[in-house]
Amino acid sequence: DTGVSQNPRHKITKRGQNVTFRCDPISEHNRLYWYRQTLGQGPEFLTYFQNEAQLEKSRLLSDRFSAERPKGSFSTLEIQRTEQGDSAMYLCASSPDRGHEQYFGPGTRLTVT
Amino acid sequence: AQKITQTQPGMFVQEKEAVTLDCTYDTSDQSYGLFWYKQPSSGEMIFLIYQGSYDEQNATEGRYSLNFQKARKSANLVISASQLGDSAMYFCAMREGWGSQGNLIFGKGTKLSVKP
Repeated sequence: DTGVSQNPRHKITKRGQNVTFRCDPISEHNRLYWYRQTLGQGPEFLTYFQNEAQLEKSRLLSDRFSAERPKGSFSTLEIQRTEQGDSAMYLCASSPDRGHEQYFGPGTRLTVT
Repeated sequence: AQKITQTQPGMFVQEKEAVTLDCTYDTSDQSYGLFWYKQPSSGEMIFLIYQGSYDEQNATEGRYSLNFQKARKSANLVISASQLGDSAMYFCAMREGWGSQGNLIFGKGTKLSVKP
């Protein structure tokens, strides 16, 4: 059984560029979450999917951020016109319908120069 | 106001001893869940233990136990018989509301260092 996977693991980009991250949840997990973690802080919630439906978005998810889960399996998180403040670890987690814990992936570390 | 407060930025413990990591929370919901996660230097968040607000007994998972004091709104993690591999960041988190869906709210974490 494979866990949650995320690609790429690291991304360095220049300010103003667009980036896209991918998350593959544990198979048959209907719920998928995106979090952002900056240095010295705990993860902060960004958005949540139940199957392909995006049910909740944090105010942290500005209009430069968009997330999709088109077929209810993998998800993508796109950041347009990146800013230095976007530099962070982006974590994806999934959970089954019945079950409290969220299983996290290894994260994508974004550095905006 | 912070929903999850972890007052210990860093803790040291001698190998094989027990250690308690503090966590207090703030919510007006009657139904909520409390979680502890471990984050090694590799970055992955590892689920350790869960406590529901209506659970009468403290949760235990191997060497981990959660000291749940509802009236004090505290959910401290106790690690018994510390091992060198326990050195990591530890995060307390809460999910508000009924059911098992919904996002987690994390504290700022405690860095635990286990000394040989």
